[in-house]
Amino acid sequence: DIQMTQSPSSLSASVGDRVTITCRASQSISSYLNWYQQKPGKAPKLLIYVASSLQSGVPSRFSGSGSGTDFTLTISSLQPEDFATYYCQQSYSTPHTFGQGTKLEIK
Amino acid sequence: EVQLVQSGAEVKKPGESLKISCKGSGYSFTSYWIGWVRQMPGKGLEWMGIIYPGDSDTRYSPSFQGQVTISADKSISTAYLQWSSLKASDTAMYYCARLPSLVSRLRYFDYWGQGTLVTVSS
Repeated sequence: DIQMTQSPSSLSASVGDRVTITCRASQSISSYLNWYQQKPGKAPKLLIYVASSLQSGVPSRFSGSGSGTDFTLTISSLQPEDFATYYCQQSYSTPHTFGQGTKLEIK
Repeated sequence: EVQLVQSGAEVKKPGESLKISCKGSGYSFTSYWIGWVRQMPGKGLEWMGIIYPGDSDTRYSPSFQGQVTISADKSISTAYLQWSSLKASDTAMYYCARLPSLVSRLRYFDYWGQGTLVTVSS
C-alpha cells in the first residue's frame, strides 16, 4: 500500500489567515491526489482532485499543488466555515489510501 | 440530483452477522464504482474497497480482504457491505461513496452517503 503522511496533524489559525497543509506519499503518485474536508458528524466533501483541480462549487480560496510525492492544500483566507478536518487521498493505485488528517482549529 | 442513501444505525453483538446498504439515485448506478470507507470513533478515514455494479468487479484493501464482503444488486441500485461475524473492533461509522473512474483523471469520491453507524457490543 502507498502510505500518505500529512503535516501538521493539527493547526490553530485565525479567520483571514493563509494556511497550508502538506501531504507526502511514500512513492510517486503522479498527480493522483485528492483533498477532502470533513466537519464533525458529517460525511467528507471533495475539495480538490488530481492535485490542483477545484471541485465544482468549492470556493476559490482553496487551491492545491504538487506532483510526484509532495503536495499542498492552501486556504488563502480562512473563513469561519473552514474550520474542519482535512484529508488527502492518493488515487494512483488501489487501495486509495488516505492521510491521517489535519484538524484545523480556531485560534 | 445524485444521492447515496445508507441504511440506518445498527447495534449488534460480537459474533453476529450484518449487512448494511447504500442506495444510489439520480445517476446511472451501473456506470460508476461505489466504495466503502470506515471511520472508527475519533479516527481518520480508511479505504475498505470498491465495487463496479455494472459487472461486480470488486477490489479490496488488503487490510479488509477476508474481513468484509462488498456486493451490489444493480436491479435495485444498491451496494452492500457485510460481515459474517462482527467484532467489537468493527464499531465505526461506515460511509459509501461514488467513484467515477479507476482509469481516468476522475479517480475521487465525488458523492458520499450520510454514513451508517455500526456499534458492536456485548
